[in-house]
Amino acid sequence: KAGVTQTPRYLIKTRGQQVTLSCSPISGHRSVSWYQQTPGQGLQFLFEYFSETQRNKGNFPGRFSGRQFSNSRSEMNVSTLELGDSALYLCASSFLTGLNTDTQYFGPGTRLTVL
Amino acid sequence: AQSVTQPDIHITVSEGASLELRCNYSYGATPYLFWYVQSPGQGLQLLLKYFSGDTLVQGIKGFEAEFKRSQSSFNLRKPSVHWSDAAEYFCAVGTNSGYSTLTFGKGTMLLVSP
Repeated sequence: KAGVTQTPRYLIKTRGQQVTLSCSPISGHRSVSWYQQTPGQGLQFLFEYFSETQRNKGNFPGRFSGRQFSNSRSEMNVSTLELGDSALYLCASSFLTGLNTDTQYFGPGTRLTVL
Repeated sequence: AQSVTQPDIHITVSEGASLELRCNYSYGATPYLFWYVQSPGQGLQLLLKYFSGDTLVQGIKGFEAEFKRSQSSFNLRKPSVHWSDAAEYFCAVGTNSGYSTLTFGKGTMLLVSP
C-alpha cells in the first residue's frame, strides 16, 4: 500500500504571495491532518479534515486554510506569506473510526521557504 | 489541554549501548501515546503506540516503550543502539475525543558515537 504523498516537496516563495500544498492520504484513510514544524515551535497542529469537513483547527491565523476532496485528498493554502511561515508542513492520514484517535501516518513533508 | 514533555533535547549514546528516551505527558483521561522518529529532511515514522492493554509495547527496529500511569510517563528504550538510530525522536499524545489530533513533545535528538 502506498504511503502518504505530498507535493511539492520543496517550495520557495516571497513574502505576500500565496501557496497551495497537496496531500494524498493512504488509500482507504478518510482523515487528513496537517502540522507545521519549525525549529522554534516544534510540531504544531494546523487542522484536521474528515469526510470533506474540517473537524478540528489549531491556533493559527485565518491565512491558513484547507480543504478536503471527496477522494480524501487534501490541500492547504497559506495566503499573504510571511517570513515566519517558513517551515516543514507535514500531512498525516488515519483511517479514523470516528470513535477514538487512530494511528496517524505521516508523509515526507513540504519544505516551504519564504524569502 | 494535553501536553508532552521530553526533558532531554540532545542525548549521545555509544554504539552498542542501551538507550532510554524520556517522555512525560499531561492528560486527564487515559491517553493514546506514540513515539515517532524523524531523520533529517524526512517525515515522521511511527515506532510504536499504546492504546490500552499491556503497558509494555514493542515497536519496530527493536524499540520498546513502557506506559506508567502513576508517573505519567511513556519512556522509549532500546537495548543496543546502532549508528543508524541517530535521528530525532518525538513522543506524542492523542485523546479519545474522536479527533485525529496529536500533541507532540519538542523532540530528543539522538547522537550515536562510534
